Amino acid sequence: DAKTTQPPSMDCAEGRAANLPCNHSTISGNEYVYWYRQIHSQGPQYIIHGLKNNETNEMASLIITEDRKSSTLILPHATLRDTAVYYCIVRVVRGAGSYQLTFGKGTKLSVIP
Amino acid sequence: NAGVTQTPKFQVLKTGQSMTLQCAQDMNHEYMSWYRQDPGMGLRLIHYSVGAGITDQGEVPNGYNVSRSTTEDFPLRLLSAAPSQTSVYFCASSYRQGGRPDDEQYFGPGTRLTVT
Repeated sequence: DAKTTQPPSMDCAEGRAANLPCNHSTISGNEYVYWYRQIHSQGPQYIIHGLKNNETNEMASLIITEDRKSSTLILPHATLRDTAVYYCIVRVVRGAGSYQLTFGKGTKLSVIP
Repeated sequence: NAGVTQTPKFQVLKTGQSMTLQCAQDMNHEYMSWYRQDPGMGLRLIHYSVGAGITDQGEVPNGYNVSRSTTEDFPLRLLSAAPSQTSVYFCASSYRQGGRPDDEQYFGPGTRLTVT
């Protein structure tokens, strides 16, 4: 199973872009990179996922390097409500098409006024 | 849609007691799973189900049982509670098992369990 490495914490000024890095150097060719976040005491929330192309949705952008060994989640204009723990996850496929998400410790993003 | 619902929100048990954590979803999702989250740690998968009548173990299954008699419900049973099972439990669901890579998981609000 591919493992991910994230910094334990980051700060970002309100209104600025938040760039959250993730290393996944052992990722295999058919594994996707997912990002979730968890706001204090709530269940995790899906943000975005990608395979090798950059992706963008209403919440964030995902930049994956050409060799797929690392990625960056970008929140373009961080707000106080974006303060949360952000998890970078490589999707594991097991058995008859079932899959699990392995959550590490993530990055605690603090958005500062 | 109510999404993923979990009951109870809080529970205190004594060592050796048994109980069932309830999880239900109204999105007709085939895939459902249970995670536990301990302080300062990420989520760890306990059990999962790819459809009614099918369950399998995750990373930390010991001390827990599951069943999936309907698409909507996926209860988690603690057979004999131990202090090590003090944790926050999250249930999640998604549309399809595995094969489609765009399946995002929807999480419930969690059950906070304390075993004394």
